[in-house]
Amino acid sequence: TQLLEQSPQFLSIQEGENLTVYCNSSSVFSSLQWYRQEPGEGPVLLVTVVTGGEVKKLKRLTFQFGDARKDSSLHITAAQPGDTGLYLCAVLWMDSSYKLIFGSGTRLLVRP
Amino acid sequence: DTEVTQTPKHLVMGMTNKKSLKCEQHMGHRAMYWYKQKAKKPPELMFVYSYEKLSINESVPSRFSPECPNSSLLNLHLHALQPEDSALYLCASSQDWAYRETQYFGPGTRLLVL
Repeated sequence: TQLLEQSPQFLSIQEGENLTVYCNSSSVFSSLQWYRQEPGEGPVLLVTVVTGGEVKKLKRLTFQFGDARKDSSLHITAAQPGDTGLYLCAVLWMDSSYKLIFGSGTRLLVRP
Repeated sequence: DTEVTQTPKHLVMGMTNKKSLKCEQHMGHRAMYWYKQKAKKPPELMFVYSYEKLSINESVPSRFSPECPNSSLLNLHLHALQPEDSALYLCASSQDWAYRETQYFGPGTRLLVL
């Protein structure tokens, strides 16, 4: 089983619509990150959430960390074609050493 | 400057070839990483270098050989690869190999093994 499960796996919406992407786990994390990866590029960090219940806004993107720090959501208001890409949640996980572990990813397509 | 550069951008190689991927950063970061990303999957960690020493090898086959010649450069030497090794290879760097250090990713090298 994956440490981080994202849903939905794929989302195709019309420009101007709102959407929410979810990142869930049964584990508790001290922080969680969201990345966006555009075709042909590497992932780019959007935000890091640290405190349970924390809400961070980045223009039309709103990120929330669950109260129990096991899950997170990304809400996009009035999506634009430029929002198209792969959205990945990730955590710095410690087993034998620190590793950045990514969620399964949500592929977003915003149609003009 | 928060840029990590990778060359080449695309690479096609046969199973008997030897090739190298190159990664460079000039941010003074002391940790560098190689990730492999298969199509429609998230990136998966392969190697971590911290202060130019190999710190993590995620049970990667020996046909992948990393090298860190100095604090700014990271190479991945490829030899006798298999078609299933075709993927996007991402390099990343961070200030240190420590908790909550932000990793900056390069654009990747898209590798096709024939």
